[in-house]
Amino acid sequence: GNSVTQMEGPVTLSEEAFLTINCTYTATGYPSLFWYVQYPGEGLQLLLKATKADDKGSNKGFEATYRKETTSFHLEKGSVQVSDSAVYFCALSDNAGGTSYGKLTFGQGTILTVHP
Amino acid sequence: EAQVTQNPRYLITVTGKKLTVTCSQNMNHEYMSWYRQDPGLGLRQIYYSMNVEVTDKGDVPEGYKVSRKEKRNFPLILESPSPNQTSLYFCASRRLAGGRSGNTIYFGEGSWLTVV
Repeated sequence: GNSVTQMEGPVTLSEEAFLTINCTYTATGYPSLFWYVQYPGEGLQLLLKATKADDKGSNKGFEATYRKETTSFHLEKGSVQVSDSAVYFCALSDNAGGTSYGKLTFGQGTILTVHP
Repeated sequence: EAQVTQNPRYLITVTGKKLTVTCSQNMNHEYMSWYRQDPGLGLRQIYYSMNVEVTDKGDVPEGYKVSRKEKRNFPLILESPSPNQTSLYFCASRRLAGGRSGNTIYFGEGSWLTVV
């Protein structure tokens, strides 16, 4: 079945530091890949997505590139801010059919804390 | 405005007292789903529905029921809640037409449920 593995957290950074959160996946079909963000006390927001190999998703200074050869979708940001403190989830969705169709498979989440 | 609406947002209940968490979407989406979020486990799918009167188990269905009598509504029912069902619950919907795994998934704001 499908699975998503994220780097262990929590991650603590100083403001303006470079951020990488690793994400690797296994999937039976040709998945689309997503990063979701959950700010404290809030629901899930789509941060960015990529639907095919070599696509780059970007939003709010965050980027992630769909790497089929390494089955990865690492999240990066060049200069984090205190307001980026949140939980980040990597997820995939495939259209291979069967019970996985339409379903999002999530990683375990990575807590990011950014200090001033 | 595209919306997935869950109610209640916060609930404290006692073991064994039946409860229902409602979910409604206004986008005429075929696919609806429930997830629970637990620390270190990410989000896991409880049940999903491909369309009216079509429902199936996700990864963690034990202790839950669902129904899909109308396209817009997908309530989650806990017949006899237990403390291990204390969690944050999300309802989600997406369009299935076109077979696009990249179709945007819309999430509700989440329902915090505590069973004592």
